[in-house]
Parts: sequence; C-alpha cells; structure tokens
Amino acid sequence: SQTIHQWPATLVQPVGSPLSLECTVEGTSNPNLYWYRQAAGRGLQLLFYSVGIGQISSEVPQNLSASRPQDRQFILSSKKLLLSDSGFYLCAWGGSFTPSGTSTDTQYFGPGTRLTVL
Amino acid sequence: AQSVAQPEDQVNVAEGNPLTVKCTYSVSGNPYLFWYVQYPNRGLQFLLKYITGDNLVKGSYGFEAEFNKSQTSFHLKKPSALVSDSALYFCAVTPYTGGGNKLTFGTGTQLKVEL
Repeated sequence: SQTIHQWPATLVQPVGSPLSLECTVEGTSNPNLYWYRQAAGRGLQLLFYSVGIGQISSEVPQNLSASRPQDRQFILSSKKLLLSDSGFYLCAWGGSFTPSGTSTDTQYFGPGTRLTVL
Repeated sequence: AQSVAQPEDQVNVAEGNPLTVKCTYSVSGNPYLFWYVQYPNRGLQFLLKYITGDNLVKGSYGFEAEFNKSQTSFHLKKPSALVSDSALYFCAVTPYTGGGNKLTFGTGTQLKVEL
C-alpha cells in the first residue's frame, strides 16, 4: 500500500529565516505530487504540482519554491519567510496525468506541517 | 475556471439523525467530484468520488453522495450521524478535460454531531 510522509509535523520560525519542508511517498512510482497551503483551518490553495523529477509547476506567485530531486520526494522551500507564510502545509500524491492531460485518480494527503512564522 | 461552493460554514445534527452537507460546482465539461474529511490538525482523508455511472456514490464510514447534473450539485449524506463524524468536510472538483487533475476545493463545512 502507499504511504505519504511529511516532516516536520510542526515548525516555528522567525521572519526572514529559510524554510525546508519535505514530503516523501512510498509504495508507488512516478506519482504526481502536490503542495497545498491551508490558512485559518479552511480553504486549500494549490501551491505547486509536479508530474516528474525536476518538473515543477507553480500555481500562485509567492515567496515559496518547490523542488523534486527524486521520484518520490517533494520539497517546499523559502529563502526568507514572511508572516503571511504561516499556515498548514499539505502534501498530496496521485492524480496521474494521461498524455491528453486528463485524469480520474484520487489525491491522497499527508499528515501536514503546521508552520508558524513569528 | 472551475469552482466549488459549500454554502454552509457549519452544520449541526443530533446523533442518529440523517445528515446532509451541501456542495455545488461549476466546471467546463463533465466533472470529477470528490469529498474529503479533515480532523483537527490532520491531513485530508478521501471519502468518496464521482467519475461516471451511477449518480449515487457510496464511500467510507457509511457516507454517500448524490450527483445531480441538472442542479450541478454533489451533496454528501449519511443516514445516521455519529458523534465521531464531527469534522471539517471538503468538496472538490476537477474537469474531465483540459484541467489535468488540479483539484479546486470548497471552503469546507464544519459538521458538529451532538448527543
């Protein structure tokens, strides 16, 4: 079966400090990977998605970046955190793209990282 | 562009009563629709999805949802609510074509089941 891990679970960082959040998936190969941010315990905003190693698409211009150095590893980074970067960050896998760009697959989410920027 | 509306911020239900959490959507073409549940400080758990076929979809923990194309709705239902069903519920949609699998989520509905 497939498992998705995220760490750390919680993080408190000062404004202006760097950030690195990691997500790894087990039990599947060549998954699509996604980073979401959930603010104030409600709506989810898609930040980045990746269909393969080194392939990153950004959905929202912001202070964050993403990388996919290995097939099942997805990293969210920032060089200098802002107060507005606080939130609950969720990684997800699944949703394979077909050559025509369509998919029926479900996305499965990790446990999340609670980031507080002070 | 696709969108999802969950018109109720909170739904309160007595344990043992039926529950409904509402969702309407807007998408070009045929929709793929999903329901997820989130417990405090946890990730989202997949409940059920509609892709095609029977309009009534059955999912985990006794939940089901009914797809209504004419009303562009995908309401989540359960015949008998449990206190343990109390959580935040999200509806999501992706278009059948042209949108890959980028999900658009509603703002969530907090379900509170009371004794």
